[in-house]
Amino acid sequence: KAGVTQTPRYLIKTRGQQVTLSCSPISGHRSVSWYQQTPGQGLQFLFEYFSETQRNKGNFPGRFSGRQFSNSRSEMNVSTLELGDSALYLCASNLQSGLTEAFFGQGTRLTVV
Amino acid sequence: AQSVSQHNHHVILSEAASLELGCNYSYGGTVNLFWYVQYPGQHLQLLLKYFSGDPLVKGIKGFEAEFIKSKFSFNLRKPSVQWSDTAEYFCAVNPGEDMRFGAGTRLTVKP
Repeated sequence: KAGVTQTPRYLIKTRGQQVTLSCSPISGHRSVSWYQQTPGQGLQFLFEYFSETQRNKGNFPGRFSGRQFSNSRSEMNVSTLELGDSALYLCASNLQSGLTEAFFGQGTRLTVV
Repeated sequence: AQSVSQHNHHVILSEAASLELGCNYSYGGTVNLFWYVQYPGQHLQLLLKYFSGDPLVKGIKGFEAEFIKSKFSFNLRKPSVQWSDTAEYFCAVNPGEDMRFGAGTRLTVKP
């Protein structure tokens, strides 16, 4: 079965703009989590959605938001982009909330200039 | 603050050398523990996981990890590394409803 799909793979944006990233989980998975990956910081947890509800949220400013649709697809939005938002954004899907095992997509590489 | 610590940022080994990557966490109570690997240009993949039972868990590609509860540690080991093990390795802890990752250890294996 198809894995976790993230689009787009690469994105270049200008400071102050906003961006929307998309994640399609593995079929049947209802939980989607988002992470920001930067060199030296590892993966920082952004938030988790389960059945269209945000279940958990990491320590990121309100400029970072997300949502999940009834088909479990999820979007992440970052408004008023800053240079420091440049990172690889990873999406992980799971059958249930609670993350017994997460399956990751290849990520969206966001560069803010 | 609660955290996951990986002590080595970059490890360089020759082929056939033994590997041990450290991971410590500071969460109390019951936790699930994971090691993920990210090969160059590829997505994160699960190497192994520990939920309960035998604290020595075996994963794919000859990797194993030992959970030592008293030390809050979950170190990754491999007796003999190969060039193809060159990758970044992440320890992760699931203390509740989300997963927390360490900063990662980059492993370079010289042929």
